[in-house]
Amino acid sequence: DTAVSQTPKYLVTQMGNDKSIKCEQNLGHDTMYWYKQDSKKFLKIMFSYNNKELIINETVPNRFSPKSPDKAHLNLHINSLELGDSAVYFCASSRRLWARSNTGELFFGEGSRLTVL
Amino acid sequence: TQLLEQSPQFLSIQEGENLTVYCNSSSVFSSLQWYRQEPGEGPVLLVTVVTGGEVKKLKRLTFQFGDARKDSSLHITAAQPGDTGLYLCAGVGAGGTSYGKLTFGQGTILTVHP
Repeated sequence: DTAVSQTPKYLVTQMGNDKSIKCEQNLGHDTMYWYKQDSKKFLKIMFSYNNKELIINETVPNRFSPKSPDKAHLNLHINSLELGDSAVYFCASSRRLWARSNTGELFFGEGSRLTVL
Repeated sequence: TQLLEQSPQFLSIQEGENLTVYCNSSSVFSSLQWYRQEPGEGPVLLVTVVTGGEVKKLKRLTFQFGDARKDSSLHITAAQPGDTGLYLCAGVGAGGTSYGKLTFGQGTILTVHP
C-alpha cells in the first residue's frame, strides 16, 4: 500500500501546454511538499502546505500553482510549460512541518518525470 | 540562504572498498538527515543526527555529525553493489531566516562495481 503516490509517473508534452500532477498520502501527515529535482539531481523545495495552508512558497514562477483540497492531497498545476520546466517533480509528506519538528522525516513519492519538448 | 556542499559528486568504486561522503556548510543546523535514492524512486531516509559529535551506525554505514553541527559524513565499509545509488544530505536550519527549513546537498552518485 503506497504511502505517497503521485500521478502520472511520466509526462511528455509540448511547450506552452498546461499540465497537472496529482499527489496523495495515506500516512495521516499534516504537511505536504513539492520538490523539483533537476538533471544534476539537485532537490529544491517549491511549496509546502500544512493542513491545507500554504506555508512555503519558494521563488517559483507563478505559472506553478499548487492546490490542496484536503490535507491528504496536494496537486501541482503548471501553465504555459517551458523547456526549463523539464525535471522530476517529487511530492513528499511529513508528520509535522519541519520548523515544529527538527527531526521530521520526509516521505517521498516515486516522482513524476516531466519532459517538455 | 543555507548551502550544503556535498562531495564528491560522483564516486565509482569496486566491491569491498571503503568510502566516505562529506557534507559541509558554513551554517549551523539543528539536525541533519541522510537519504538514499535509487533510480526511478524517491529518496528514503537512512538516518537523522541531532547532537553535535553524534555517531550513528546502520550496519556497514556510519554517520557522524560535526561537533559544531555544520558538517556531517557518511562512511561505508566494504561497499557492495547494493549500495549503489544517490546519497543526499539535508540539513534543518537552526536560526534566522533558515530556521526550520530543510536544505538538500547536491548529492553523491555512488556506483559499486562487482
